[in-house]
Amino acid sequence: EDQVTQSPEALRLQEGESSSLNCSYTVSGLRGLFWYRQDPGKGPEFLFTLYSAGEEKEKERLKATLTKKESFLHITAPKPEDSATYLCAVLLLRNTDKLIFGTGTRLQVFP
Amino acid sequence: DAGVIQSPRHEVTEMGQEVTLRCKPISGHNSLFWYRQTMMRGLELLIYFNNNVPIDDSGMPEDRFSAKMPNASFSTLKIQPSEPRDSAVYFCASSLDPRVGYTFGSGTRLTVV
Repeated sequence: EDQVTQSPEALRLQEGESSSLNCSYTVSGLRGLFWYRQDPGKGPEFLFTLYSAGEEKEKERLKATLTKKESFLHITAPKPEDSATYLCAVLLLRNTDKLIFGTGTRLQVFP
Repeated sequence: DAGVIQSPRHEVTEMGQEVTLRCKPISGHNSLFWYRQTMMRGLELLIYFNNNVPIDDSGMPEDRFSAKMPNASFSTLKIQPSEPRDSAVYFCASSLDPRVGYTFGSGTRLTVV
């Protein structure tokens, strides 16, 4: 069965304290791996897509990396405004357009 | 671009009543997705459409749930009769190419009492 697992469930950081969020996946074939950010009361907002192992993408303080079994979202010197839930999702290689989501990591950054 | 528009934002209804959630996708997007989000199960796909045609409805919980897409600019998700366990946030998303991601609406928070 195709599965996406995120860890940790929750993470509390001091402002400026860098860390990483993990997304491990077990799928029959990967067409793409996605990272989304979700703020309370809002829909998920697209951050990155990664398509192959070894690929990296960056946006401001965020950097996403991909291996054959997992992806990391590295947060460098986070600020309080980075506080949100970060969701990982996979698009399968087989003929489907549905994204399978993990349950997310809730990040809180304190000043 | 106004993004994906969902209505209503909040809905409180009594058990047994019919509930209709509405979605307007981004113009030009040919795929539309309905997801449900709960604390326990996260985001789960209910159904998706391609060019207004339902492609995968395997996530629809039971016959009480139905979805339609009569044209490229409108979709509905209907629950009849509603039950307390249907309480969740329902998201609609649209996409031109799923390989580059979806755009989500702001969701409808449904409470069934």
